[in-house]
Amino acid sequence: AQTVTQSQPEMSVQEAETVTLSCTYDTSESDYYLFWYKQPPSRQMILVIRQEAYKQQNATENRFSVNFQKAAKSFSLKISDSQLGDAAMYFCALGDTGNQFYFGTGTSLTVIP
Amino acid sequence: NAGVTQTPKFQVLKTGQSMTLQCAQDMNHEYMSWYRQDPGMGLRLIHYSVGAGITDQGEVPNGYNVSRSTTEDFPLRLLSAAPSQTSVYFCASSTSSNTEAFFGQGTRLTVV
Repeated sequence: AQTVTQSQPEMSVQEAETVTLSCTYDTSESDYYLFWYKQPPSRQMILVIRQEAYKQQNATENRFSVNFQKAAKSFSLKISDSQLGDAAMYFCALGDTGNQFYFGTGTSLTVIP
Repeated sequence: NAGVTQTPKFQVLKTGQSMTLQCAQDMNHEYMSWYRQDPGMGLRLIHYSVGAGITDQGEVPNGYNVSRSTTEDFPLRLLSAAPSQTSVYFCASSTSSNTEAFFGQGTRLTVV
């Protein structure tokens, strides 16, 4: 079975600094996709970034980038120039071709002014 | 563009009562799913559907029923609510299970 592990329940970062959120996963599939979702206090789930497993190049979206290490099954999220609006719960997720979607337990990010 | 509309936003039930959580999407997505979110456990898949007339169980299906009569709608039914079903429920839709999922705003359900 596929699993997604986020080992950091809480993280904090100073405004304008950089923070990295960790995620590891386990899957026997060769074709899968990885995601980072953000959940602010409003409860809305918002896609931050997406990575196809077959692509070696790390995905980037403005201040957000990932470090995808396929052999190590690691998928960390780096947030540069952190802003107060980045404060939220962040979930790592894996989608496979078996029509199932798996989420980690989340990392609560606090941004300190 | 409404996206994924989930109702109600809040609900309190008594043990043993039944109810249906509604979910509708207007993006013509084939894949729809229901999750429950509990503290410290992330989101867990309850049921999913890959198209009208096709549903399947996820990780935590017990106590919940679903049906998919149209592409747009994917209701979740609790036949006899239990306190263990107190949770926040999310409906999501996407073109497939490995593409971006669009989420509804969630339903906070309390069973007393």
